[in-house]
Amino acid sequence: DAKTTQPTSMDCAEGRAANLPCNHSTISGNEYVYWYRQIHSQGPQYIIHGLKNNETNEMASLIITEDRKSSTLILPHATLRDTAVYYCIVRGGSSNTGKLIFGQGTTLQVKP
Amino acid sequence: DGGITQSPKYLFRKEGQNVTLSCEQNLNHDAMYWYRQDPGQGLRLIYYSQIVNDFQKGDIAEGYSVSREKKESFPLTVTSAQKNPTAFYLCASSLRLLAELFPGTDTQYFGPGTRLTVL
Repeated sequence: DAKTTQPTSMDCAEGRAANLPCNHSTISGNEYVYWYRQIHSQGPQYIIHGLKNNETNEMASLIITEDRKSSTLILPHATLRDTAVYYCIVRGGSSNTGKLIFGQGTTLQVKP
Repeated sequence: DGGITQSPKYLFRKEGQNVTLSCEQNLNHDAMYWYRQDPGQGLRLIYYSQIVNDFQKGDIAEGYSVSREKKESFPLTVTSAQKNPTAFYLCASSLRLLAELFPGTDTQYFGPGTRLTVL
């Protein structure tokens, strides 16, 4: 699975959009980009995933660049409950275990 | 409600004792997983199961054992052979192990976790 790079931490004002970037320059053609978040002492929560088209669901939007080497998770109206560690994961392709490889992620702090 | 449950939420164990962590799902998922998380670290795969009566070792299986006798249940036993068992244990499930021709069916959903402390 391709390696991802994310900023260590970010701040966002409550009610504003939170844009979380992720670099995955070695992604292969059949690998998907997944986003999870983990609130302190809870299990990771699935947010969204995509291959090459932009995706939107009730939680967030995922923008993937045309060359697929980077992506951005957008929380349109961040609330205090969105404070968490956000993980960008690339998986699929030749993986035969199904395991998720969580890096260090981005700690998003939403401030009042 | 559909979902994944883990019990207990907190577990304390004396050194030398085996302990079993419960994981149940009612999502009708075929695949289930166990991960371990240490403070400030990412998740590491312990065991996974693609289907009932089948399971495979992950990256850190030593000192752990599992069973998959029922589709909805995947208990994890932490044995006395596990040298550093204190950690946060997470169970997950997905419809399939690999998406292959069905994109998204390998999306993993996690339980709330069990925090194990060895005294």
